[in-house]
Amino acid sequence: DSGVTQTPKHLITATGQRVTLRCSPRSGDLSVYWYQQSLDQGLQFLIQYYNGEERAKGNILERFSAQQFPDLHSELNLSSLELGDSALYFCASRAPGQKNEQFFGPGTRLTVL
Amino acid sequence: KNQVEQSPQSLIILEGKNCTLQCNYTVSPFSNLRWYKQDTGRGPVSLTIMTFSENTKSNGRYTATLDADTKQSSLHITASQLSDSASYICVVSAPDSNYQLIWGAGTKLIIKP
Repeated sequence: DSGVTQTPKHLITATGQRVTLRCSPRSGDLSVYWYQQSLDQGLQFLIQYYNGEERAKGNILERFSAQQFPDLHSELNLSSLELGDSALYFCASRAPGQKNEQFFGPGTRLTVL
Repeated sequence: KNQVEQSPQSLIILEGKNCTLQCNYTVSPFSNLRWYKQDTGRGPVSLTIMTFSENTKSNGRYTATLDADTKQSSLHITASQLSDSASYICVVSAPDSNYQLIWGAGTKLIIKP
């Protein structure tokens, strides 16, 4: 157990819909990262937040957005969903210190029908 | 462009055998290199972390090596077990203020009884 929690575990929805994925980082971690992993693909970095502020953007679509709240939990909002958005979405939080290791949550499996 | 390339893409070996996975990177400068293990459908878990000054790091039956001059790393697995079946991902960190990670595509390892 990494200490990072994600909800829901599974999500099934239809094209055109909007969903929200939630992540709670490990206690004490200020950074949250979101990743997308399509079937049999590597992890694709989407976006990073640090203490409530956006720090870096990766390959995140305009239909996707995220935010980090004062209690440090984060939400990833996916709208106008397409079939190709079906994937595992991982959240990770970063440990403070020199080696900057990221700890990953169990993921949310999104299926768009 | 900063890249991390891994080989082979997939590997099948018999239980009890050893294997070595390769990682070549072009990230420069770099802060540290990690190997993660990702079980199917689960979040990645860190196996080893090495800074540019470290040549080798062990974690049980896993041994990672790093040659910062040739920008190559390897992960050696000794006496493989069925539970070693997973994807192994090489990740390089660039020393920027956001501590971004550059992910390899991973090597899918299958251990057969």
